[in-house]
Amino acid sequence: DAKTTQPNSMESNEEEPVHLPCNHSTISGTDYIHWYRQLPSQGPEYVIHGLTSNVNNRMASLAIAEDRKSSTLILHRATLRDAAVYYCILTSLNAGNNRKLIWGLGTSLAVNP
Amino acid sequence: DSGVTQTPKHLITATGQRVTLRCSPRSGDLSVYWYQQSLDQGLQFLIQYYNGEERAKGNILERFSAQQFPDLHSELNLSSLELGDSALYFCASSPLAGTNNEQFFGPGTRLTVL
Repeated sequence: DAKTTQPNSMESNEEEPVHLPCNHSTISGTDYIHWYRQLPSQGPEYVIHGLTSNVNNRMASLAIAEDRKSSTLILHRATLRDAAVYYCILTSLNAGNNRKLIWGLGTSLAVNP
Repeated sequence: DSGVTQTPKHLITATGQRVTLRCSPRSGDLSVYWYQQSLDQGLQFLIQYYNGEERAKGNILERFSAQQFPDLHSELNLSSLELGDSALYFCASSPLAGTNNEQFFGPGTRLTVL
């Protein structure tokens, strides 16, 4: 299974952009890249996902490298509520042609007021 | 509130025992996923059910089993419990079978095995 590598922790200031990197050098052509985040004492919540092209939604942007071996989650203006653990995840096809999410340990983002 | 409910919130039991965790998916969602989150291993995918049938299997131990009922709620059964089974267990749901759909997570059940 392809794996992801993220920094253990990052820090940002409120109202500044945040770029959260993820390396996935063993990604296969059919793997999608997903980002979820987990706020303290809560279950994870979906942020964004993509395959090859950059993606934008109301929460964030996802920039995917041309060779797909890395990606960056961009929070355009960090708020205190964005303090969470951010997981970069690949979906991998298994033998039955079903996908499963391969989670890493995530990046713990601290946001300073 | 994701719309996914899990019971109980907390469970304390002893080694060797058996427990059942329950999950009710969001209204209309046909897929249910189970995850285990321990401090040293992060989130581990255990198993997925879609409309009552097993769809995908992850790192689920043989001592663990799950099922999805006709009303779409799901139960995760953990037996012969060991200290290492202490963890947060999350259930998630999504409308369709594919894991490229957004998954909605419940608040989790914290299991402590003494």
